[in-house]
Amino acid sequence: AQKVTQAQTEISVVEKEDVTLDCVYETRDTTYYLFWYKQPPSGELVFLIRRNSFDEQNEISGRYSWNFQKSTSSFNFTITASQVVDSAVYFCALSEVQGAQKLVFGQGTRLTINP
Amino acid sequence: DTGVSQDPRHKITKRGQNVTFRCDPISEHNRLYWYRQTLGQGPEFLTYFQNEAQLEKSRLLSDRFSAERPKGSFSTLEIQRTEQGDSAMYLCASSLDLTSGMFSDTQYFGPGTRLTVL
Repeated sequence: AQKVTQAQTEISVVEKEDVTLDCVYETRDTTYYLFWYKQPPSGELVFLIRRNSFDEQNEISGRYSWNFQKSTSSFNFTITASQVVDSAVYFCALSEVQGAQKLVFGQGTRLTINP
Repeated sequence: DTGVSQDPRHKITKRGQNVTFRCDPISEHNRLYWYRQTLGQGPEFLTYFQNEAQLEKSRLLSDRFSAERPKGSFSTLEIQRTEQGDSAMYLCASSLDLTSGMFSDTQYFGPGTRLTVL
């Protein structure tokens, strides 16, 4: 069975600080997808990134970066120079590559950026 | 380019009543998913459609729940005889499968329907 663990329930930092959100996953599949979604107070899940298990290159998009380490089954997300607008709940998720490809989500990390 | 839409956004009902939610996916997307999210938790998969065919249902989807996607476009999720434990956010997502059921693109979510059962 697939499982995603986000051990950090809540994180609070001051604006402009860097912050890393941890994600650890479990799967027996040899290929899979990993995702990060953002859920602002409005409630809609906003897609941030999808990563195929074949591709272990780290990715950077503006202030966001992702560190995928297959050896430790982790897919961590770092926000550099955080801003108040980054305040949201962030979810890490896992899916199979074929079939239903249903998303298995972690419990989420509530990130609060204080001015 | 419109995203996934859901209606209503909020629904308050009394225990025992039936409710129906609607989801309109992104227009060219042939896959549609329903998830349920309770307070403080991540979303949990309920069911998914490939065009009009419902191909998988979670054990979370009790007999009181039924979902349809009659023409492969919009979908409805009905809950009969609602219970207080049904109170949750119901999320719809859609994606594009270009490979006849093998691989699918990223799921994009709608704003959700928040159900409160009194």
